[in-house]
Amino acid sequence: EAQVTQNPRYLITVTGKKLTVTCSQNMNHEYMSWYRQDPGLGLRQIYYSMNVEVTDKGDVPEGYKVSRKEKRNFPLILESPSPNQTSLYFCASGSTGRMMGDSPLHFGNGTRLTVT
Amino acid sequence: KQEVTQIPAALSVPEGENLVLNCSFTDSAIYNLQWFRQDPGKGLTSLLLIQSSQREQTSGRLNASLDKSSGRSTLYIAASQPGDSATYLCAVRGTPLVFGKGTRLSVIA
Repeated sequence: EAQVTQNPRYLITVTGKKLTVTCSQNMNHEYMSWYRQDPGLGLRQIYYSMNVEVTDKGDVPEGYKVSRKEKRNFPLILESPSPNQTSLYFCASGSTGRMMGDSPLHFGNGTRLTVT
Repeated sequence: KQEVTQIPAALSVPEGENLVLNCSFTDSAIYNLQWFRQDPGKGLTSLLLIQSSQREQTSGRLNASLDKSSGRSTLYIAASQPGDSATYLCAVRGTPLVFGKGTRLSVIA
């Protein structure tokens, strides 16, 4: 089954304790991206990757890191989480190039992060 | 910079009504436009994808149209049901992908 898998689904942590949210897709997609969703602000892009070893900042990259060492994985790293990073996070993947127009984005089920 | 606006922000209708949700965008250089449904606290479920070269797509009671030149898309829901209650998001895929803030739909039995 084609899917994007995020882990964990729920995470409660304390300020300053490094954490990683994993994202994996099994569709051989080149494009992967991270979003955060906050009430009243909608979904905002954090980082995206067009292919292995290629990453770019989205609208709200501050406080986050990503890496794309393999095509299927795109982890989101919070080196020193702060309470303003409490949010619902989504990972997505999709095709690029000539396939982009008819390729829907596939989303994971989300990770609800609380930083106290 | 691409801006995506969804109107109305919230909508409440009685069961059985046909309704239209609107999505407008400022930059017509897009690859596609995708409509999603999101239930409270849940993930995004893809409803319809319209490629930039297409005018509309249909799936069951849902019909989405795209007018790229005017920067508009509509999602038409026929014979609405209480189970349609959710937030509906449009996402415009250019460089980068940009979401609207959604329309929160309540269908009253």
